[in-house]
Amino acid sequence: AQSVTQPDIHITVSEGASLELRCNYSYGATPYLFWYVQSPGQGLQLLLKYFSGDTLVQGIKGFEAEFKRSQSSFNLRKPSVHWSDAAEYFCAVATPNDYKLSFGAGTTVTVRA
Amino acid sequence: DAGVTQSPTHLIKTRGQQVTLRCSPISGHKSVSWYQQVLGQGPQFIFQYYEKEERGRGNFPDRFSARQFPNYSSELNVNALLLGDSALYLCASSSGYANTGELFFGEGSRLTVL
Repeated sequence: AQSVTQPDIHITVSEGASLELRCNYSYGATPYLFWYVQSPGQGLQLLLKYFSGDTLVQGIKGFEAEFKRSQSSFNLRKPSVHWSDAAEYFCAVATPNDYKLSFGAGTTVTVRA
Repeated sequence: DAGVTQSPTHLIKTRGQQVTLRCSPISGHKSVSWYQQVLGQGPQFIFQYYEKEERGRGNFPDRFSARQFPNYSSELNVNALLLGDSALYLCASSSGYANTGELFFGEGSRLTVL
């Protein structure tokens, strides 16, 4: 069964600084990979997804992620963080043609002025 | 267009009681999934329904059940509530069965069991 590890529980970053959130997955083949964001009191919103092809994926809100097969990783990045990026971020994995997502435990991002 | 709507948004129950949570998917979406998110953890898959049939079940006890109606709305039922059932219950809809599309999540129903 596939699984996801997000090593960082909490990250604090200054506004305007860059952000990188780590995600490692466990799966025998290339899975489908996703990053979701959850603001306080909100549901989950999809930031970006990777199925195949170009390993650098662009998403909404200025986020990008890079799939590295050799490292089983799918790290999320943003060059310059805004205060509104403070939220919880979840990496998720799915097998092709499957019906469920397996989520990591999440990383909470705090943005300081 | 309306997104995924869930009701109620908050509710408090006592141990042993039963609860029903409701979800209306985005118009045109035929798949509804349910996830449980315990505080401090990522969402855990409970059920998926597609075209009114159960297509998948996660590792949850039989106290959890669900159904999908002809209009594609869905209900999640939990019987004999335990303290550990306290969580945010998220509903997600998608247009298809598999994960090639995007899951659209509602804001959730927060259940507190006392």
